[in-house]
Formats: sequence, structure tokens, C-alpha cells
Amino acid sequence: EVQLLESGGGLVKPGASLRLSCTASGFTFSNAWMIWVRQAPGKGLEWVGHIKSKTEGGTTNYAAPVQGRFTISRDDSRDTGYLQMNSLKTEDTAVYYCITDYNDYGDYDSWGRGTLVTVSS
Amino acid sequence: QSALTQPASVSGSPGQSITISCAGTTSDVGSYNLVSWYQQHPDKAPKLMIFEVTKRPSGVSNRFSGSKSGNTASLTISGLQAEDEADYYCCSYAGSSTFVVFGGGTKLTVL
Repeated sequence: EVQLLESGGGLVKPGASLRLSCTASGFTFSNAWMIWVRQAPGKGLEWVGHIKSKTEGGTTNYAAPVQGRFTISRDDSRDTGYLQMNSLKTEDTAVYYCITDYNDYGDYDSWGRGTLVTVSS
Repeated sequence: QSALTQPASVSGSPGQSITISCAGTTSDVGSYNLVSWYQQHPDKAPKLMIFEVTKRPSGVSNRFSGSKSGNTASLTISGLQAEDEADYYCCSYAGSSTFVVFGGGTKLTVL
């Protein structure tokens, strides 16, 4: 059974940095892409970005609102992916979900439980 | 503002059918048969209900069905049950620059 566990969320001030982790089990993490999707309180879902598997180049892609501020990385030896968030803004406040799949077409059947990031002064 | 447009709310009585629309563009829904639908109950992670426009993951009731015409996708739930009350989101692949876009969500109320 695929299991994904996010951690690292919390309350930070605008301009601060935070790193989220997503630890995977139940499948071969190194073969999968890791995707992050967020949901602001009371709002809809928003694609944040993804990292491909290393065999597919390990390249990353990001949504426009986070491009240049967020970085997705992975440590396959630890079955863990990361979302480094810098220069956080109040509008980044959201529950962040990690997802794994073998591509990124938006059909996600394996989600973590999510971790809440609150950016507030 | 979400890339895909959904009605904010729909409602129906138990046993009835409802349809939720998802309007996109030629850059997303209209160009790819890669539309998905998610169900989300309060404080839960979204659950995949439909993928590739019409396909249901294993374990999803056949009361849920998807379709697409042009730039608009639809989710139909037949034989409404109380447990179907939730938020529903559509999602589409949008090419290798934008990748994935979501709708703003539709709140389904079972009367």
C-alpha cells in the first residue's frame, strides 16, 4: 500500500523559509515522480510543481506563483522528497499535499494527508 | 481565479442524478483526454473518482461517470446518496508548460 507522510509545516512570518518533507513507503520511490499540490483554507486545489524520477532526468517544473521561490528535490536513498519554500508570502498559506505518480497528468490516486503552512505576521 | 470553471454549488435529493460541469479551453480540456475528477470531504485529502475523462479507479462506484464535449467536461453522479455530499474538483492536463490546472470546486449538497 502506498503511503505518503508530509511533515515540516508550521507558522512562519512573511519572508521566511520553510522546508516540507514527504516520506514514502509501499512502492519504489525512485521510479516515481513527486508532485506537490496545495489548498488554501476554504479554497480550491492548486498545482505547485513536480520533480521527475532521476531516470527521467530529475527535472523540476513549477507553477507561476511559486517559480523562483520554491524548490522541489528528492533523496531516493531516504525515499523522501522535499519542498523548499523561500520568501514566503501570506498567500502561500495552505495545506500542502504530496503525491506520487509515474507521470503528471493530474490523475493522482496517492495523496498524503497534507501539512498546514501558515504565513502570518 | 481558477483555470477551469465549475459551478460553486449543486444540489439534489437522494436517488436523483446531478451533473457538474467543468469549462476549460483549447489549451487544456479541449486538447487532452486527461480530465480527472476528485471528491473531497471536509478535512480529508482529495480522492480520485474519474481519470482520463471517463475511467473509474478500482473501488469507485459506477454511479460516478465522466464525459467531455469540446472544452467542457462533466461529472454525473446518479442515484445520489448522503455520503456523496462533498466538494468536487475537476482537473486537466494543460501541456508541458502549465502541466496541471484545477477547477475552483463545486459543493454538492444532498437535500
